[in-house]
Amino acid sequence: KNQVEQSPQSLIILEGKNCTLQCNYTVSPFSNLRWYKQDTGRGPVSLTIMTFSENTKSNGRYTATLDADTKQSSLHITASQLSDSASYICVVSDRGSTLGRLYFGRGTQLTVWP
Amino acid sequence: EADIYQTPRYLVIGTGKKITLECSQTMGHDKMYWYQQDPGMELHLIHYSYGVNSTEKGDLSSESTVSRIRTEHFPLTLESARPSHTSQYLCASSARTGGNTEAFFGQGTRLTVV
Repeated sequence: KNQVEQSPQSLIILEGKNCTLQCNYTVSPFSNLRWYKQDTGRGPVSLTIMTFSENTKSNGRYTATLDADTKQSSLHITASQLSDSASYICVVSDRGSTLGRLYFGRGTQLTVWP
Repeated sequence: EADIYQTPRYLVIGTGKKITLECSQTMGHDKMYWYQQDPGMELHLIHYSYGVNSTEKGDLSSESTVSRIRTEHFPLTLESARPSHTSQYLCASSARTGGNTEAFFGQGTRLTVV
C-alpha cells in the first residue's frame, strides 16, 4: 500500500532556531517528492521538488534531502521566523499512471514562538 | 501565485440544502482534483478529472458529485448537505512538465453544515 508518513506530528520552536521535519514513504514506482507549506485556512504551496536522482535541494532557508534507497526525505528550516508557522506536507508522486498520482502525508504542524 | 480560485471561502448552511462549491483555473490544465481535509488530517482525494467530460471518484467515498463541462471549471455539488459533510474542500489542478507533476491548490472552501 502506498503511504506517506511524517514526523513529528507537531513541533514548537523559538524564533531563530533550526528544525528538521521527516517524511517516510512507500510509494512505488516513485516519481518525485514535494514539500508543501500550508498556512492556516489556505491551500498548500509548493516549496521544493525532489526527483529520484537528487539528494538535496535548497530554497532560501528551506533545504530538502532525499534518500531514495531508504525512501526518506527531510525538510530543514534554518533560522526560523514567525511566518514559518504552518503545516508542512510531504507529497509523493508515482509514475505508474497518467494521473501522476499524488500521495499526501498528514503534515507536521510547526509553530514558531517569539 | 497560482491562478486557481475557489468560491465561497466560507459557507455555513443548514442540513438538507443543496450547495455547489466553485473552482476555476486559468492555467489551461487538463487535470483537476477535489480534496477533502479535516483539521490536522491529511488531504483525501474525493474526485478528479483528466479533462472535459471526464470525472472519476477518488480514494475517499463522497456523496458529492462533480462535472467538467469546460476545461477551466470543476464545480462540486452536494444535493443534500449533512453535518457529516462539514470539512475543508480544496480544489487543485496539475501540469506534468519534464516528467514531474506539480499540483496548484486553491484557497479552499471551509464548509459547515448545521
